[in-house]
Amino acid sequence: GNSVTQMEGPVTLSEEAFLTINCTYTATGYPSLFWYVQYPGEGLQLLLKATKADDKGSNKGFEATYRKETTSFHLEKGSVQVSDSAVYFCALSYNTDKLIFGTGTRLQVFP
Amino acid sequence: EPEVTQTPSHQVTQMGQEVILRCVPISNHLYFYWYRQILGQKVEFLVSFYNNEISEKSEIFDDQFSVERPDGSNFTLKIRSTKLEDSAMYFCASSQSRGPNTEAFFGQGTRLTVV
Repeated sequence: GNSVTQMEGPVTLSEEAFLTINCTYTATGYPSLFWYVQYPGEGLQLLLKATKADDKGSNKGFEATYRKETTSFHLEKGSVQVSDSAVYFCALSYNTDKLIFGTGTRLQVFP
Repeated sequence: EPEVTQTPSHQVTQMGQEVILRCVPISNHLYFYWYRQILGQKVEFLVSFYNNEISEKSEIFDDQFSVERPDGSNFTLKIRSTKLEDSAMYFCASSQSRGPNTEAFFGQGTRLTVV
């Protein structure tokens, strides 16, 4: 079946460090891929998405590229800030509006 | 900015009791969802709801669960007789349309603890 695997957290970084959060997926076809973010005390918010192979989603300095050959959608940011501290969820949807999520990765950024 | 709101933020209940988790979706949205996350596990889809009926449900969503849109604004999830393993964070979501490119807007979640 369709599934998403994310790297376990927490990921702890100093401000201005480079961030990568790995996400790989298993799907029977070509799903749409998403990154959601949950800031403390808030709901899940869509951060970025990509709907076909080689698409790059980007928002707020974050980027992720849909890699069909490696079935991956890794999240990257060149220089993280303390305000980026949150839980990040990778997700996919395929032929439905149902989202299939990973476990989430907690990011902690220290000044 | 419109948002999905959930109440309560935390609910503690005894095993075997009924609980109702409440959600107010964004007002012009037509599609509604419940997800849950057991601590340390993945966020799991429970059910989607459109036009006053369930459009899709997961195998988790058994006869103990039900959803309702009792009025024009609320969307509720009822667990008839709670079990310890129902302890989780429950997320409500809504969207304006459906399809894999649609953005779903999520609430902040209700943490349910069954003791």
